[in-house]
Amino acid sequence: QSALTQPASVSGSPGQSITISCTGTSSDVGGYDHVSWYQQHPGKAPKLMTYEVINRPSGVSNRFSGSKSGNTASLTISGLQAEDEADYYCSSFTSFKNWVFGGGTKLTVL
Amino acid sequence: QEQLVESGGGVVQPGGSVRLSCTASGFTFNNYGMHWVRQAPGKGLDWVAYVAFDGSYQYYADSVKGRFTISRDNSKNTLYLQMNSLRAEDTAVYYCVKDSHWSFDYWGQGTLVTVSS
Repeated sequence: QSALTQPASVSGSPGQSITISCTGTSSDVGGYDHVSWYQQHPGKAPKLMTYEVINRPSGVSNRFSGSKSGNTASLTISGLQAEDEADYYCSSFTSFKNWVFGGGTKLTVL
Repeated sequence: QEQLVESGGGVVQPGGSVRLSCTASGFTFNNYGMHWVRQAPGKGLDWVAYVAFDGSYQYYADSVKGRFTISRDNSKNTLYLQMNSLRAEDTAVYYCVKDSHWSFDYWGQGTLVTVSS
């Protein structure tokens, strides 16, 4: 089972919006709505940011939004803030009865 | 509030075994499936295994199938990962994670397993 494909890095200035893509196949991202996104600051455990493509857990800012089209999911962060600088990972449940992660994207706030 | 505390990590020789434990509190443990997810030093996240809320079925990553066993004791609010035939590439921080909606809802702080002679 191959990892989902994410860009290695993205960057943006405070106040701007950025989008991180996550490309899979019809066996994972394209076949299920069990796509989720995670934020990880250095030395910390990951934190769930969105689940089932578009849903946000309680307490997560509405500046974070998820979407999906075909085999590609996306995480958009609007109104970038310095505290958003972190690594971001996507994940999907798959038809092989397992879960797969993307390789991770490092977000830099300029 | 929810809390997951892992234990059992350390240094183990190649070919050796170790059992990780994760004690849960702050939520109804026997209502949720649970995962182990690992992260090698400086690398990305890697899903390892899942056990259903009642322990009735398990899923494993191909890389650990036949070597690792996930289990749970709902009477003790505890999740386990028995790791056998360990390899250098199993070196990682192992996170205990609560499942919700087929996503990784809440994470423990992790325990480091180092496979080295």
